[in-house]
Amino acid sequence: DTAVSQTPKYLVTQMGNDKSIKCEQNLGHDTMYWYKQDSKKFLKIMFSYNNKELIINETVPNRFSPKSPDKAHLNLHINSLELGDSAVYFCASSQYDTSNYGYTFGSGTRLTVV
Amino acid sequence: EDKVVQSPLSLVVHEGDTVTLNCSYEVTNFRSLLWYKQEKKAPTFLFMLTSSGIEKKSGRLSSILDKKELFSILNITATQTGDSAIYLCAVSSGNTGKLIFGQGTTLQVKP
Repeated sequence: DTAVSQTPKYLVTQMGNDKSIKCEQNLGHDTMYWYKQDSKKFLKIMFSYNNKELIINETVPNRFSPKSPDKAHLNLHINSLELGDSAVYFCASSQYDTSNYGYTFGSGTRLTVV
Repeated sequence: EDKVVQSPLSLVVHEGDTVTLNCSYEVTNFRSLLWYKQEKKAPTFLFMLTSSGIEKKSGRLSSILDKKELFSILNITATQTGDSAIYLCAVSSGNTGKLIFGQGTTLQVKP
């Protein structure tokens, strides 16, 4: 009954490879996000989709491409992985309304690029 | 540029102590301030604050927001080892739902 689930939980890969992380939420939320948490535990937003429409696209290398096939799924594809991409990537979802931006986070995907 | 700053960055206390964590912000189009607790995995929601001066309480945890001075505090009384975690402060800005996070405060509670 996991509310926001990400796969895989761990990903170890070599530089230059292409990889994808998948996220699914069963909360009926209409907005989903990708956040990156670096080694200093600093969480920073990367992308956000509302009803399959991209609404936030922060300054992220274009090697990172999000895709939202429907409002319950938001995937992240990363091309030509670099050492600096090593981090924990969190997916989150929320219901977009004017009064409450309470998020639910997934358990994270720890990406290690070697 | 929007900014959220937490202090202290780390804190070591003994069980039974009371701690106060600080969060200050400079954010355009403020909507709300949120506190999260992060142990090994995902951040878990603690409080959302939108109005100044109204304390939110949950057990031994409480939080308050000052929108004039642009800060919030999170208090934990009678700390327990299970309170050891990273406490994250975030501000919701604009109408996109985007959260701007502080660096976090790492709290260690020793027996």
